[in-house]
Amino acid sequence: DTGVSQDPRHKITKRGQNVTFRCDPISEHNRLYWYRQTLGQGPEFLTYFQNEAQLEKSRLLSDRFSAERPKGSFSTLEIQRTEQGDSAMYLCASSSPSGGDTDTQYFGPGTRLTVL
Amino acid sequence: QQQVKQSPQSLIVQKGGISIINCAYENTAFDYFPWYQQFPGKGPALLIAIRPDVSEKKEGRFTISFNKSAKQFSLHIMDSQPGDSATYFCAASNQAGTALIFGKGTTLSVSS
Repeated sequence: DTGVSQDPRHKITKRGQNVTFRCDPISEHNRLYWYRQTLGQGPEFLTYFQNEAQLEKSRLLSDRFSAERPKGSFSTLEIQRTEQGDSAMYLCASSSPSGGDTDTQYFGPGTRLTVL
Repeated sequence: QQQVKQSPQSLIVQKGGISIINCAYENTAFDYFPWYQQFPGKGPALLIAIRPDVSEKKEGRFTISFNKSAKQFSLHIMDSQPGDSATYFCAASNQAGTALIFGKGTTLSVSS
């Protein structure tokens, strides 16, 4: 299976700690997206990359959040000084503008973050 | 400001029945409208998508109806099966490959 993969799948941390999540997109997909989903809600857009360039950031992405995609392949999302309100499922998606439906975003299984 | 409004919040349908979920949007610049299906503990998976140049798109048991003037679109699931029990999200975007704006979701239960 060469779908979007995310690591870890679950993360429990204490308030104030830093956490980092990794996303590996579908091979050759040059667009990568991060979303956050809280219980009972739809995914909310955080940011997206085209290759290594971060093209858009949501207002939800506070200064404590930083995302990188250094070589245009995998991406990391870091949350510094976690707060209980950061508890959510963090979803990664990827898409490709080359051929097919350029809009189709394929989602990974997500990383469930619990901040105690 | 919620840009995509989805209803109902939950839906119970008998096996073999038709499930209908509705969405309304505000931004007339939206030009791509996908529906995603999500099972517990999994990421959303694309079900079907439509662009505003057509009024209907059908794939198997799933049909999207689109009304551009009313700024509404809906998902119809024909011959609903217990395996269709999941949460469904409508979404929209206004430029290819950019941020998707999701509705709040509809939890569908198909009783056998």
